[in-house]
Amino acid sequence: GAGVSQSPSNKVTEKGKDVELRCDPISGHTALYWYRQSLGQGLEFLIYFQGNSAPDKSGLPSDRFSAERTGGSVSTLTIQRTQQEDSAVYLCASSLSGTGGTQYFGPGTRLTVL
Amino acid sequence: AQSVTQLGSHVSVSEGALVLLRCNYSSSVPPYLFWYVQYPNQGLQLLLKYTSAATLVKGINGFEAEFKKSETSFHLTKPSAHMSDAAEYFCAVSGHTGNQFYFGTGTSLTVIP
Repeated sequence: GAGVSQSPSNKVTEKGKDVELRCDPISGHTALYWYRQSLGQGLEFLIYFQGNSAPDKSGLPSDRFSAERTGGSVSTLTIQRTQQEDSAVYLCASSLSGTGGTQYFGPGTRLTVL
Repeated sequence: AQSVTQLGSHVSVSEGALVLLRCNYSSSVPPYLFWYVQYPNQGLQLLLKYTSAATLVKGINGFEAEFKKSETSFHLTKPSAHMSDAAEYFCAVSGHTGNQFYFGTGTSLTVIP
């Protein structure tokens, strides 16, 4: 079926506002990952979902970041009270299985916090 | 714990020359290893994946990588660079337990005509 999709593709917001980023994984993929890619840096792991549960939240940089996944499908990453250092590309990936499974990436959401 | 080190954040090669992008991993057991490529303004796509079936792994676009346990390396090579190979390349490792992927910081490949 279709690949991983993310929306919006670009988001510009003002410092202090909340934002929601959406990820639609490939149908049937049970594992879902969120990463952050800052300019000139690699991918920073944020959170992993297996089904609707998040066994690994170790990468969330602060309590302003949260994520949920409903129905084992769509996931939303929420950033509260955005800061300028939150500006980055947020990538979502999904895989058939968690351990060792190939991850398929979405195009990302470019977040700019003014 | 696993980790990945990519030596050289920027690599430049002439068109037609050998491409060698280095990746070393740290893992207590042989892991799953991946190379991903990110073309400008595009998402990451899988180039190739090592799963212990064979130490030499062939991927898309003429790339291949060899798993060397003794050197804990998984370097990416291509015999002859093409202009279209210019991109960012990421090495990643995943363990046999747990679900985290650890990505390297990436290597930007420039191909000089």
